[in-house]
Amino acid sequence: EAQVTQNPRYLITVTGKKLTVTCSQNMNHEYMSWYRQDPGLGLRQIYYSMNVEVTDKGDVPEGYKVSRKEKRNFPLILESPSPNQTSLYFCASSLQASYGYTFGSGTRLTVV
Amino acid sequence: GQQLNQSPQSMFIQEGEDVSMNCTSSSIFNTWLWYKQDPGEGPVLLIALYKAGELTSNGRLTAQFGITRKDSFLNISASIPSDVGIYFCAGQTPSGTYKYIFGTGTRLKVLA
Repeated sequence: EAQVTQNPRYLITVTGKKLTVTCSQNMNHEYMSWYRQDPGLGLRQIYYSMNVEVTDKGDVPEGYKVSRKEKRNFPLILESPSPNQTSLYFCASSLQASYGYTFGSGTRLTVV
Repeated sequence: GQQLNQSPQSMFIQEGEDVSMNCTSSSIFNTWLWYKQDPGEGPVLLIALYKAGELTSNGRLTAQFGITRKDSFLNISASIPSDVGIYFCAGQTPSGTYKYIFGTGTRLKVLA
């Protein structure tokens, strides 16, 4: 089944403890992206990647890092999480930009 | 930054009624997408629009790309209970090929 898989689905962590949210797609898509979803704010893009080793900042990149060493994987790294990063995170991929993204099921992160 | 104003924010309707929602912006977009998000899941693409004035249907859903390229509309005909969810519009910016701006969503509740 064609899909975008994120792990974990739920995560509670403490301020300052580094964490990684993994994302993998099995559709051979070149484009991948991370979004965060907050009430009343919709989905905001954190980072995106056009291909292996090619990434760029979205609208809200502060406090996040990404890497794209393989086409299928696009992990999101929070080096020092803070409570304002408590949010619902989505990874997404696309064959072509104009086709729109296929989204994963989300990772609900709580930073205390 | 660019923003998409999506309205209404939420609506309750009776089963069988038609629904209309829209997205407007002060900026132009190259592509308009409409997504639906069910509780606990990621957004799923419903309709993609690529040309100003374009009208596209997907079953009971019809969407239009505004002539000015600054707005888009989604109509749902004869609503059913499974139409419940949050509907998002997303616009692809001319300046960023892989960059999509999302609206804040319309929460739809259908009363049987």
